[in-house]
Formats: sequence, C-alpha cells, structure tokens
Amino acid sequence: GNSVTQMEGPVTLSEEAFLTINCTYTATGYPSLFWYVQYPGEGLQLLLKATKADDKGSNKGFEATYRKETTSFHLEKGSVQVSDSAVYFCALFTAAGNKLTFGGGTRVLVKP
Amino acid sequence: SQTIHQWPATLVQPVGSPLSLECTVEGTSNPNLYWYRQAAGRGLQLLFYSVGIGQISSEVPQNLSASRPQDRQFILSSKKLLLSDSGFYLCAWRDTGDNTIYFGEGSWLTVV
Repeated sequence: GNSVTQMEGPVTLSEEAFLTINCTYTATGYPSLFWYVQYPGEGLQLLLKATKADDKGSNKGFEATYRKETTSFHLEKGSVQVSDSAVYFCALFTAAGNKLTFGGGTRVLVKP
Repeated sequence: SQTIHQWPATLVQPVGSPLSLECTVEGTSNPNLYWYRQAAGRGLQLLFYSVGIGQISSEVPQNLSASRPQDRQFILSSKKLLLSDSGFYLCAWRDTGDNTIYFGEGSWLTVV
C-alpha cells in the first residue's frame, strides 16, 4: 500500500535559519504530492503541491520538488519566521486509492 | 469559489451520549467528501469517504458512522460515544480537477 515517511520532530530553529523537512513516499502508480500546514488550534491548510515528477511547488517562501528517482518531496524554506511555527504534514494522493495518505507530521518551533 | 464549513467547532460530550458533526461544501457539485480524525499528538486517520449521495466507504471499523443525505452535506455520527472518540475531526473535499483535497476548520471533541 501507499505510505509516507517524514522526519520526526520537534525541529527547533532560530529566526532566519534554513528549514528542511524530509519526506519520502511509497506508492503504486503516479501520486500527487502535498505539504499541509497546521497552525496551533487550527485545521489543515494546503501549503504547496506537485502533481508530476520534477514539478516544484512553492508558496509563502516554502518550496518542494517532486523527485521520482528518490521518491522524495522535501520541504525547504530559506529563512524561517516565528510565524512559521506549526506542524507540517507531507501527503500523497493516488486516484486508485481516492484518499490522502499522510506522514506523521513534523512539529517546527521557530524562536526569535 | 469553493468553501467548506463544519460545526460545531468545539464540543464536550459525556461517555455514552450521541454525536453529530456536520459538514457542508459550497461552490462545487458532486464533490468527493472525507472525514479524518486526529487524536492528540498523533497523525491523521481517514475514517470515511463518499463519492456521492448515500455512498459511504468506511476505512476503519469503529464506533462511528457517516451519512451523506445531500450532495454537499456529510455527517459524522455516533450513537454512544467512547472516551477513545476524543480528538480533532476534519471534514474535507476533493477538487477532482487536480486531486487537491481541502480541509474544513475542524471540530474538537472531548468525551468525558
């Protein structure tokens, strides 16, 4: 079956530091890949997505590239802010499964 | 544009009491709809999904049920709540154009 593995947190950074959250996946077929963000006490917001190999998703300074050869979709941001403190979820969707499969989530804490 | 709403946002229920969480989507027709649960400190678990009125697929056998009485309405229910039903419940819909899944604001359920 499909699965998503992402690095465990928490990840603690100082403001303006570089952030990387690793995400790898196993899937049959050709999945679409997503990053969602959950701010404290809130629901999930779509952060970025990529639907095919070599696509780069980007939003709010975050980027992730769909790497089929390494089955990865790592999230990066060059300079984090305190407001980026949240839980980040990597996920994949396949039409055959008709559902999102999530990683376990990575909590990020940015300190001023 | 499409919007998704779910309610109530927060509820505290005694063990053995019934539950009804409601979700509605606006601005789209015949959406695929989903209920996810996020237990405290844990990841996201798909509970049910629906591809049309009256069509419900259950992912995990449990104390909950779902119904879809109208095209854009999805209801999560229980006849008798258990302590283990506590968690954050998220409704979602899928944009079939690009397979992106969008989430509602979530409902916090505490069973006491």
